Amino acid sequence: DAGVIQSPRHEVTEMGQEVTLRCKPISGHDYLFWYRQTMMRGLELLIYFNNNVPIDDSGMPEDRFSAKMPNASFSTLKIQPSEPRDSAVYFCASSLRRSFGYTFGSGTRLTVV
Amino acid sequence: GQQLNQSPQSMFIQEGEDVSMNCTSSSIFNTWLWYKQEPGEGPVLLIALYKAGELTSNGRLTAQFGITRKDSFLNISASIPSDVGIYFCAGQLIGNNDMRFGAGTRLTVKP
Repeated sequence: DAGVIQSPRHEVTEMGQEVTLRCKPISGHDYLFWYRQTMMRGLELLIYFNNNVPIDDSGMPEDRFSAKMPNASFSTLKIQPSEPRDSAVYFCASSLRRSFGYTFGSGTRLTVV
Repeated sequence: GQQLNQSPQSMFIQEGEDVSMNCTSSSIFNTWLWYKQEPGEGPVLLIALYKAGELTSNGRLTAQFGITRKDSFLNISASIPSDVGIYFCAGQLIGNNDMRFGAGTRLTVKP
């Protein structure tokens, strides 16, 4: 199994631009999570899906952030417009059950200048 | 309330020494997990604990789920340079299944 695959690994963009982060979860995993990691705030849950349906998006910072999961093998996290304070590492994770350990992708390091 | 307090924040130890870190909370958890994160990578699951009092080992790593369900510890015996990284605890809250992560313990091992 290739694990959770995220792309791109690094993204540098200018303030105001749209950014799209992509994730392919492990096949058969019912849950998909998007996390943001910063030095100041650690790992923050942004949103999670169960069977492609968004369950809890209370962690999404503001309306500039949106996430979709059109099918079981693909999810996107979009930031529009991006701001410098969005700079962070964004992780996607998937799990078979809500109570099982999550498998994380390698992350996307986003820098907004 | 629902925060996880992970300590210590960082550790600098000599190769061969044992390491101990822990997480505590005022909330009750039904699952405790320990992850390790290396630079440029995502956290990797090391040990999962599902029962109060459970003691589980994975090689040189040992973790326990506290009897009160409010804490957990991770021990690493005979540390080696490749143990370097950030170790995170994570707990799943009883009732709503929300997963909370600790702030991490940054481990440095000097050869």
